[in-house]
Amino acid sequence: DAGVTQSPTHLIKTRGQQVTLRCSPKSGHDTVSWYQQALGQGPQFIFQYYEEEERQRGNFPDRFSGHQFPNYSSELNVNALLLGDSALYLCASSLVGRENTEAFFGQGTRLTVV
Amino acid sequence: AQSVSQHNHHVILSEAASLELGCNYSYGGTVNLFWYVQYPGQHLQLLLKYFSGDPLVKGIKGFEAEFIKSKFSFNLRKPSVQWSDTAEYFCAVSRGNNAGNMLTFGGGTRLMVKP
Repeated sequence: DAGVTQSPTHLIKTRGQQVTLRCSPKSGHDTVSWYQQALGQGPQFIFQYYEEEERQRGNFPDRFSGHQFPNYSSELNVNALLLGDSALYLCASSLVGRENTEAFFGQGTRLTVV
Repeated sequence: AQSVSQHNHHVILSEAASLELGCNYSYGGTVNLFWYVQYPGQHLQLLLKYFSGDPLVKGIKGFEAEFIKSKFSFNLRKPSVQWSDTAEYFCAVSRGNNAGNMLTFGGGTRLMVKP
């Protein structure tokens, strides 16, 4: 049973560039959430996708956008990268509508903006 | 907006010492409570969770946590830590009946266990 997989594992980008991160949810899960974890801090919720639509969004600017595909996988796009976007980006999957089920996390993508 | 506070940012213990990590949250409605652990170089792993019922929950590796609703707290405990417990620990809260909802995390507690 494959867990949550993310790609790439590491990425270096230049300020102003755009980046796309990818996530495949745990088998059987239909909901994908994205989190940003800056160094020394707890993860912060970016947004959640279910049925190919953004369902919840945290306090992140419109430069952060996403997409969910029919197979439930998801992408996180960040435009006009800033140095402050350097962080570990975590993807979590879950099953909507089911109580008593928790989110499972991937290993993350380490993004460095120079 | 809800918030989660972890009072201890860094904790250093010797092996066999007892551990208690504090966690308080601000939301007053129905909550789901979690403790996640992040070992060096690894992904977030669930230690334990509380949805309803017995407020004392037991997780993996000998960890337990107690939900005290009146104090908005969900403290993590372990009677005797091991060197392998060295990691960062995160308390997290989601709201409502869907536990997969948006998680709000605390800032984390970095635990170092000396052999």
